[in-house]
Amino acid sequence: KAGVTQTPRYLIKTRGQQVTLSCSPISGHRSVSWYQQTPGQGLQFLFEYFSETQRNKGNFPGRFSGRQFSNSRSEMNVSTLELGDSALYLCASSETAGPERQYFGPGTRLTVT
Amino acid sequence: GESVGLHLPTLSVQEGDNSIINCAYSNSASDYFIWYKQESGKGPQFIIDIRSNMDKRQGQRVTVLLNKTVKHLSLQIAATQPGDSAVYFCAENNNAGNMLTFGGGTRLMVKP
Repeated sequence: KAGVTQTPRYLIKTRGQQVTLSCSPISGHRSVSWYQQTPGQGLQFLFEYFSETQRNKGNFPGRFSGRQFSNSRSEMNVSTLELGDSALYLCASSETAGPERQYFGPGTRLTVT
Repeated sequence: GESVGLHLPTLSVQEGDNSIINCAYSNSASDYFIWYKQESGKGPQFIIDIRSNMDKRQGQRVTVLLNKTVKHLSLQIAATQPGDSAVYFCAENNNAGNMLTFGGGTRLMVKP
């Protein structure tokens, strides 16, 4: 099976702009989770979707949002970008609602200038 | 892309030796634990997982040990190889869907 794919791989945005990142899970996986990775804060959970429903949300401001489509693909959106949003955004998928092993994609490297 | 902080603990081992990476977890209610390996420019790669009803689980060249009494998790890598050089993260789940709480990571460096 193909692994988790994320697009785009790299992105440069300006403060105040918004951005949408996309994640396609492994075929047959219905759960998608998003994480933010920075040198200072490490890996932090953003949100989790299962069958198009958000099941958990991490401690991030409302500027961070996401959704999941009927084919399990997911998008996350960050509005009014801040310099501190520069990070590697990782998507992970798993077959069920968990807890179980999750498989990560390569991430989207977002740079905010 | 960069995956780690500037001041990660580092474990340096000789090729062929065994490695032990330790992790202290925070939530006594956590019931699922997982180890990931992350190489530069890549996403975390699943290594091995364990549920709280077990103390030990073995995979290919890797063993995870869980001590719930002291909330400690360890990853043992047998016959460490240069390809094992990476940052290793432990993560815990306290029965909250697939939400994982990650540790800060340990950098493993293997000397040939």
